[in-house]
Amino acid sequence: GESVGLHLPTLSVQEGDNSIINCAYSNSASDYFIWYKQESGKGPQFIIDIRSNMDKRQGQRVTVLLNKTVKHLSLQIAATQPGDSAVYFCAERIISGGYNKLIFGAGTRLAVHP
Amino acid sequence: GAVVSQHPSWVICKSGTSVKIECRSLDFQATTMFWYRQFPKQSLMLMATSNEGSKATYEQGVEKDKFLINHASLTLSTLTVTSAHPEDSSFYICSAPGQGAWKTEAFFGQGTRLTVV
Repeated sequence: GESVGLHLPTLSVQEGDNSIINCAYSNSASDYFIWYKQESGKGPQFIIDIRSNMDKRQGQRVTVLLNKTVKHLSLQIAATQPGDSAVYFCAERIISGGYNKLIFGAGTRLAVHP
Repeated sequence: GAVVSQHPSWVICKSGTSVKIECRSLDFQATTMFWYRQFPKQSLMLMATSNEGSKATYEQGVEKDKFLINHASLTLSTLTVTSAHPEDSSFYICSAPGQGAWKTEAFFGQGTRLTVV
């Protein structure tokens, strides 16, 4: 079926360091790419999104980069904090059957150590 | 932002019984809701799209007779897992697409942990 991302790796970082989480996608027809944060036992939380015609977008402590040539998306978190520990998913929004659907990647677990 | 409330947050049921999960949009109307399933340490897999006033659209490989979806009103969608078996144990999450100022967002419920014993 449709898929975004390849596996569920774990990224371990020290508190205060910058984190970079990567994602590969497969569908070229998406108009938006979104990053979500999911804490254990909870639903995903929106972090930041980027339109397909952009290559970079910045938010508060987060930056998303989009490289459509290689179908790659990344999330950069500056000055990573213990509260950032969670699983991060990229998702792409596609139109299928007349509806906007979100297709999620496999996710990356971010572990922040003091 | 908009709020989507999902209930129950967890449920344990016996094999062969049915379980209903509710998803409500609290401060907006949702003509469409999405239902996802998430197994441990895996990603969210879209199961179906529920549409108010019409039949749900199921993703390939999802049994529509097993996972009954009803979008009874503009604020309520339900997923019923019928004749549940242990392999149906999973985390089920609903979401509603963003609207207006939050158009690119999707708002997720808190999820329901289903354990079938």
